[in-house]
Amino acid sequence: KQEVTQIPAALSVPEGENLVLNCSFTDSAIYNLQWFRQDPGKGLTSLLLIQSSQREQTSGRLNASLDKSSGRSTLYIAASQPGDSATYLCAGTQGGSEKLVFGKGTKLTVNP
Amino acid sequence: DGGITQSPKYLFRKEGQNVTLSCEQNLNHDAMYWYRQDPGQGLRLIYYSQIVNDFQKGDIAEGYSVSREKKESFPLTVTSAQKNPTAFYLCASSIDLAGYQPQHFGDGTRLSIL
Repeated sequence: KQEVTQIPAALSVPEGENLVLNCSFTDSAIYNLQWFRQDPGKGLTSLLLIQSSQREQTSGRLNASLDKSSGRSTLYIAASQPGDSATYLCAGTQGGSEKLVFGKGTKLTVNP
Repeated sequence: DGGITQSPKYLFRKEGQNVTLSCEQNLNHDAMYWYRQDPGQGLRLIYYSQIVNDFQKGDIAEGYSVSREKKESFPLTVTSAQKNPTAFYLCASSIDLAGYQPQHFGDGTRLSIL
């Protein structure tokens, strides 16, 4: 059974800093890996999706990588801004299953 | 403007009462999902549907029921059998279940017990 872990649970950084959020998963037969952003009291916004045949995806200041052999994905945020403050969740599907398994998220605070 | 609409935003349930959460999408997506989110927890899948008139139980389906009579709509009923219903409920949709495209989420319904 796929399990997804995100460490740390919370992270506080000064504005302008580059940062990395970590996501690990137990089953390397991961089918795809998605990163989401959640603002307080809101739904999830999809940021990036990496399919199992891909190594990374980029969107603006965001870059997500996937290393199936080590069971890890990272979300890199360049030049962080206060507007990036939110909870970031990663989720993966296992081969043969349509279901996404979510981590508990990392709450990011970017201080002006 | 395409998206997913969940209503109501806040809902209160009395003991022994069934309540229904609405989820409507105009993205022309085949697959729809219901998740439950508790504080400090990841999302957990309640039910999902691939096509009209078909749905499957997720990891925590007990005490919940769904229907999929129209492609655009996937309402969730929280029955009186669900003893701990207080949570944030999120509806999502995707083009299909294959996983090549991301899931899109609504803004959620927060359910509380009176």
